[in-house]
Amino acid sequence: KNEVEQSPQNLTAQEGEFITINCSYSVGISALHWLQQHPGGGIVSLFMLSSGKKKHGRLIATINIQEKHSSLHITASHPRDSAVYICAVKETSGSRLTFGEGTQLTVNP
Amino acid sequence: GAGVSQSPSNKVTEKGKDVELRCDPISGHTALYWYRQSLGQGLEFLIYFQGNSAPDKSGLPSDRFSAERTGGSVSTLTIQRTQQEDSAVYLCASSNRWMGGVSYNEQFFGPGTRLTVL
Repeated sequence: KNEVEQSPQNLTAQEGEFITINCSYSVGISALHWLQQHPGGGIVSLFMLSSGKKKHGRLIATINIQEKHSSLHITASHPRDSAVYICAVKETSGSRLTFGEGTQLTVNP
Repeated sequence: GAGVSQSPSNKVTEKGKDVELRCDPISGHTALYWYRQSLGQGLEFLIYFQGNSAPDKSGLPSDRFSAERTGGSVSTLTIQRTQQEDSAVYLCASSNRWMGGVSYNEQFFGPGTRLTVL
């Protein structure tokens, strides 16, 4: 069992739909990252959070430390949101990030 | 630009040769990370540098892999006697803000070096 699990693995949506990607982890963490990887391979950090909720534009990230679960929401999805979304956690012990397998999102016009 | 840069962007080498990959982090960032992404696989942590502290090498897959960071800035990842399974995109990231022994800030990723071992 992976320490970080994402669901779904693949997600196809129509433009305008509300999207949720989930991340569950099994270790104690100090922070959780949501990353976006575009088809060209470039990775962008979307959020880093250790509690509560953060919002940036149409993106919202939440985390529940007690339940070891985080969600990434995209409101009013757009084809340019098509990318792989990766959840990564920084364990309380050590400095490494442990990554989920990623969620491939495709938003159709 | 002011982002993380990596060179070369692509490297094709023959099995058994040594390769060096370079990362220039964002100026002033004290933390530097190397990751690897094999084809169809997720990201994998390799090594982490923080200031003058001893690096965390726990992710290096074998003793053929080594990395150094000179002057707290530029880092070089060296792979000796490359094997075909080393083919991957090697990503570097840097971050700042170190509090209480833990790096809290987001990581800024470079564009990666695509390594192909023939």
